[in-house]
Amino acid sequence: DSGVTQTPKHLITATGQRVTLRCSPRSGDLSVYWYQQSLDQGLQFLIQYYNGEERAKGNILERFSAQQFPDLHSELNLSSLELGDSALYFCASSVGGRGTQKETQYFGPGTRLLVL
Amino acid sequence: AQKITQTQPGMFVQEKEAVTLDCTYDTSDPSYGLFWYKQPSSGEMIFLIYQGSYDQQNATEGRYSLNFQKARKSANLVISASQLGDSAMYFCAMRERGGNKLTFGTGTQLKVEL
Repeated sequence: DSGVTQTPKHLITATGQRVTLRCSPRSGDLSVYWYQQSLDQGLQFLIQYYNGEERAKGNILERFSAQQFPDLHSELNLSSLELGDSALYFCASSVGGRGTQKETQYFGPGTRLLVL
Repeated sequence: AQKITQTQPGMFVQEKEAVTLDCTYDTSDPSYGLFWYKQPSSGEMIFLIYQGSYDQQNATEGRYSLNFQKARKSANLVISASQLGDSAMYFCAMRERGGNKLTFGTGTQLKVEL
């Protein structure tokens, strides 16, 4: 158990809908990262928040947004869902966010999203 | 741009044998970190081991060790005394200094057989 929690574990929804994925980082970690794992794209970085502020952005679609709250939990919002958004979405957390190469990211169990 | 290459889509190893999973990387940054993660069939990503580009010695964590050859830009994971529970997908990842994201390879599916 990494100490990172994600809810829900599974989500089934229809095209065009909107969903919210939730993540709670490990105690003491200030950074939260979101990754998408799909069969065709592999594991891709979406976005990072550090202590409530957006720190880095990756291959995140405009239909997707995220935020980190004062209690440091984070939510990833996916809207106007398409079939291709079906994937495993991971949240990871780390202590800081200053980009030291040594800093380990610990992953949550993931949310498996299926868009029908 | 940084890139991670894992050329072995699948590997088989017999229980109690050692196995090496290959990883090569490409970066122009002299300061970077290399990570290995394990993903069992249940889906979670489990951190295994870290190697820094300036580390003088190869990293070890229990049965996991990293064969780091900086000049060849390779960071192969060695699992000794394989166990059935080692059957999983293994990902190599890199993080550059000043960077925030991990860049992952495509993974190697390891199957441990009796």
